[in-house]
Amino acid sequence: GQNIDQPTEMTATEGAIVQINCTYQTSGFNGLFWYQQHAGEAPTFLSYNVLDGLEEKGRFSSFLSRSKGYSYLLLKELQMKDSASYLCAAMDSNYQLIWGAGTKLIIKP
Amino acid sequence: GAVVSQHPSRVICKSGTSVKIECRSLDFQATTMFWYRQFPKQSLMLMATSNEGSKATYEQGVEKDKFLINHASLTLSTLTVTSAHPEDSSFYICSARRGDNEQFFGPGTRLTVL
Repeated sequence: GQNIDQPTEMTATEGAIVQINCTYQTSGFNGLFWYQQHAGEAPTFLSYNVLDGLEEKGRFSSFLSRSKGYSYLLLKELQMKDSASYLCAAMDSNYQLIWGAGTKLIIKP
Repeated sequence: GAVVSQHPSRVICKSGTSVKIECRSLDFQATTMFWYRQFPKQSLMLMATSNEGSKATYEQGVEKDKFLINHASLTLSTLTVTSAHPEDSSFYICSARRGDNEQFFGPGTRLTVL
């Protein structure tokens, strides 16, 4: 079956770095997405990886290893506004997104 | 950038009534749109995939006669919740696909059924 696993909740300190891991199993693979979702709002796109390696975009970076079915989202210089849920989603062979349950990130001063 | 709008953003209705939610891609054409539902503290759950000019494909467990989807044009899809009940209260989110890999989300519609 198709499955996405990511931690339920993580806590980090303002100004620090946090890494949110995601493992996936899908029927075929057409890329791995990370979305940020603040409470009560729709998800907003953060990153897309389809090739192995690290993609850096400002304070946020995303890594993919296709052979391991593994990705992580790295957030640097954490700010209070980064408190949100981070959703990992893998796109299968039918170009459908398979969603993880999301990781709630709590930032403490 | 690509923008997807949803209307209304919030709706409160009485049990038994029907509610229509619109999803529009404002600056691109979307042959495929998706409708999701999200209950509090849970992940997005795909309800159906809507293709322009054809019938929607519903996920298992989603009643197609209750959640009517019409993808009338390349920029508009509508979801109608018929005979709404309190358990239908949820956050409904649409997304529109551009090309093969890009998917853009609408801001969501919070439905409360009294």
